[in-house]
Amino acid sequence: GAGVSQSPSNKVTEKGKDVELRCDPISGHTALYWYRQSLGQGLEFLIYFQGNSAPDKSGLPSDRFSAERTGGSVSTLTIQRTQQEDSAVYLCASSREGLYEQFFGPGTRLTVL
Amino acid sequence: AQSVTQLDSHVSVSEGTPVLLRCNYSSSYSPSLFWYVQHPNKGLQLLLKYTSAATLVKGINGFEAEFKKSETSFHLTKPSAHMSDAAEYFCVVSRYNTDKLIFGTGTRLQVFP
Repeated sequence: GAGVSQSPSNKVTEKGKDVELRCDPISGHTALYWYRQSLGQGLEFLIYFQGNSAPDKSGLPSDRFSAERTGGSVSTLTIQRTQQEDSAVYLCASSREGLYEQFFGPGTRLTVL
Repeated sequence: AQSVTQLDSHVSVSEGTPVLLRCNYSSSYSPSLFWYVQHPNKGLQLLLKYTSAATLVKGINGFEAEFKKSETSFHLTKPSAHMSDAAEYFCVVSRYNTDKLIFGTGTRLQVFP
């Protein structure tokens, strides 16, 4: 079956612009996660959705970052007024209720010039 | 608080020789522990997981890991390295089945012919 998909695969933007990153989880997976992988910070958790609710937003680095999930499926991570330090690979993962394994998408590489 | 420490940032082995990637964890809860692998320009893939069942865990591609509570370790081993094993390996901890994953800093495995 289809895995987690993310779009775009690459995004280059100018400092100060807003960007939207999209994640399509595996069908039937109720839990969805966003992570960020950067040279300076390694792999870090951003936010977790259970259904359309986000019980854990503790990893969002600033109020410029927000995320939503609709219909218990697709999620969008929005970064407003991008800064150069936002450059990273943004990874999405999903998992089934009650199971530990998180399945990761290929990521979106964001470059802020 | 939970954390994992990967003791080696780089490990180099010859093809056909054993692999040992070291990981120590810290957790105030009974942890769930994982090893993920990331091949160049590919997504993260789960190798194996420990979730309080058997302490010796077997994963894909011949890898295994042993949970040692007394040593707070979860080292990854493979008896004989293959060229295709060259990748970045992450030791990961979480508290429960829908919890965020906390990643170590990664160990880059090089395999020489």
